[in-house]
This record gives sequence, structure tokens and C-alpha cells, in this order.
Amino acid sequence: EAGVAQSPRYKIIEKRQSVAFWCNPISGHATLYWYQQILGQGPKLLIQFQNNGVVDDSQLPKDRFSAERLKGVDSTLKIQPAKLEDSAVYLCASSELAGGAETQYFGPGTRLLVL
Amino acid sequence: QKEVEQDPGPLSVPEGAIVSLNCTYSNSAFQYFMWYRQYSRKGPELLMYTYSSGNKEDGRFTAQVDKSSKYISLFIRDSQPSDSATYLCAMEDYKLSFGAGTTVTVRA
Repeated sequence: EAGVAQSPRYKIIEKRQSVAFWCNPISGHATLYWYQQILGQGPKLLIQFQNNGVVDDSQLPKDRFSAERLKGVDSTLKIQPAKLEDSAVYLCASSELAGGAETQYFGPGTRLLVL
Repeated sequence: QKEVEQDPGPLSVPEGAIVSLNCTYSNSAFQYFMWYRQYSRKGPELLMYTYSSGNKEDGRFTAQVDKSSKYISLFIRDSQPSDSATYLCAMEDYKLSFGAGTTVTVRA
């Protein structure tokens, strides 16, 4: 079974530029998550999708971050404009359903550096 | 105060030693308790999860949860160099909240 795919793996941009990350979850997984992991910290949930609907985006900085999951499969996370503090690893995860008993499978992440 | 507190270490042990990791939490609504392992430049992978207080064993790994003390632990017996990684505790009420992770190095 193929895992969660993410691209690009690395991205370096200047502050105030825009950037987009792509995620393809495990086939058949209804729930997709985007996390931000700053160096030395644990992942922090940014947004959770159930199929193509948003379940939780309470920690997404909506003035600069946006995400979509068209057709309930792959997803894109965008930052516009980027700030220095956005430097982090952006992890995508998926699970069959949502809830405490569901295992989340993580992709390798996209490492973003904002200069 | 963070919801989940975890000592970032680092922790360095000789091969064969027992590794002891722990987290404390403040949110009484957490019902599921997990340990993830994250190798360098990889995403986290689930090691173990427990629902209630008590112990759960899986091979060389033992997870303990004490809800009354809001304290969870992970023990790794007979540690191997391949166990060198960052270990993240995570807890869930309606979403996962992670600790900062403890970096473990097992020396051959």
C-alpha cells in the first residue's frame, strides 16, 4: 500500500512570497490533516478535512494560509504572503475516518525555509 | 501552560539499556494516548496507543497511562541503535495534541 505522498520535499522562498504544498493521501482515506511542525516542537494541527469538507480549521492563520481538498482526494496548502515564522516542516496525514481510534498516517513532510 | 509537556532531552543510552520517556498533560478531556516515532527527515509513525489507564505491551515497547496523575510513559527494553529517533507523545480529545518530542540516541 502506497503511503501519503507530499511535494515538494524542500522549498526556500523570500518573505512575502507565496508557496503551495501538495498532498496525496492513502487511497480510500476520508480524512486528511495538515500539520505545522516548527523545529524542536511537536506537530500542530492546521486543518482537518473529512472528504472535501472542513472539520476543523481553528488553528489555521486564515489571513495568510488557505487549503483545499477538491474532489475529496488530494489537497493543497498555500501560504500567501509568507513570513519568517512560517519556516517549518508541513506534514500531511490521512486516516480512514476521524476519531480517537483512527490511526493517522503521515507523509514525509515539506521543509519550508523563509528568508 | 502547554496542554502536553514533554522533556525534549536529548537522551543518550548504551545499546541494551532501558529507555524511559514520559509526558504530562493538563486536559482531562484527553481519552486516547499515543506514542509516535519520528526518524530524521521523516514523518511521525504510530508506535502504540492506549485508551484507558494501565499498561500495554508490544514487543520491546511498554506504554503506561495514569489518568489520575495525568502522566504517560513509554519504556523501550533492550534498546537498539535503530531505536535512535525522536519520540512524540500525543493525546486526543477531538484532535491530536503532541508533545515537543524527546530525541533518543542509542549508542552501539
